[in-house]
Amino acid sequence: KAGVTQTPRYLIKTRGQQVTLSCSPISGHRSVSWYQQTPGQGLQFLFEYFSETQRNKGNFPGRFSGRQFSNSRSEMNVSTLELGDSALYLCASGDRDINKGAFFGQGTRLTVV
Amino acid sequence: GENVEQHPSTLSVQEGDSAVIKCTYSDSASNYFPWYKQELGKGPQLIIDIRSNVGEKKDQRIAVTLNKTAKHFSLHITETQPEDSAVYFCAASWGYGGSQGNLIFGKGTKLSVKP
Repeated sequence: KAGVTQTPRYLIKTRGQQVTLSCSPISGHRSVSWYQQTPGQGLQFLFEYFSETQRNKGNFPGRFSGRQFSNSRSEMNVSTLELGDSALYLCASGDRDINKGAFFGQGTRLTVV
Repeated sequence: GENVEQHPSTLSVQEGDSAVIKCTYSDSASNYFPWYKQELGKGPQLIIDIRSNVGEKKDQRIAVTLNKTAKHFSLHITETQPEDSAVYFCAASWGYGGSQGNLIFGKGTKLSVKP
């Protein structure tokens, strides 16, 4: 099976712009979660989608949003970018059986200048 | 909410020695505890996990133990090799019914294995 695919791998944006990141989960997985990774804060949960519904949301401002499509692919959007949004954004997909774990993609490195 | 503490932040061992990384969690509702290995430039890789109804799990050179009463769990790597060098993260979650819940991560342990 192909792994979790995130696009693009690298992105440079200017303050105030918005950005959309994409995640294609492992075939058959219906759960997609998003995480932000920074040197200072570590790995932080953003939100989780399951069968097109947001199941959980982390403690991030409303500028961070996401959605999931019927084929389980997911996108996250960040509006009005700030310098502090520079981070590695990771997507993880999960099987219906939680005992099989969550699997991460390689991430999208976002730099805000 | 859940909080996960991870120690040590850095760990240096000689090749062939064992390495132990410890984590504590705060929310007794957490029922799923995975461990991830992250190499430079890559996403975290799931290496082993344990559910709250199990006390220990082994996979070749890697083992995880869970003490629900004390709310702590540990990763044990035996016969370490240079390729084990990476950052290791523990996490806790209360996943349910097809959902992963949300993973709350420790701050990570940078493991260096010296040849």
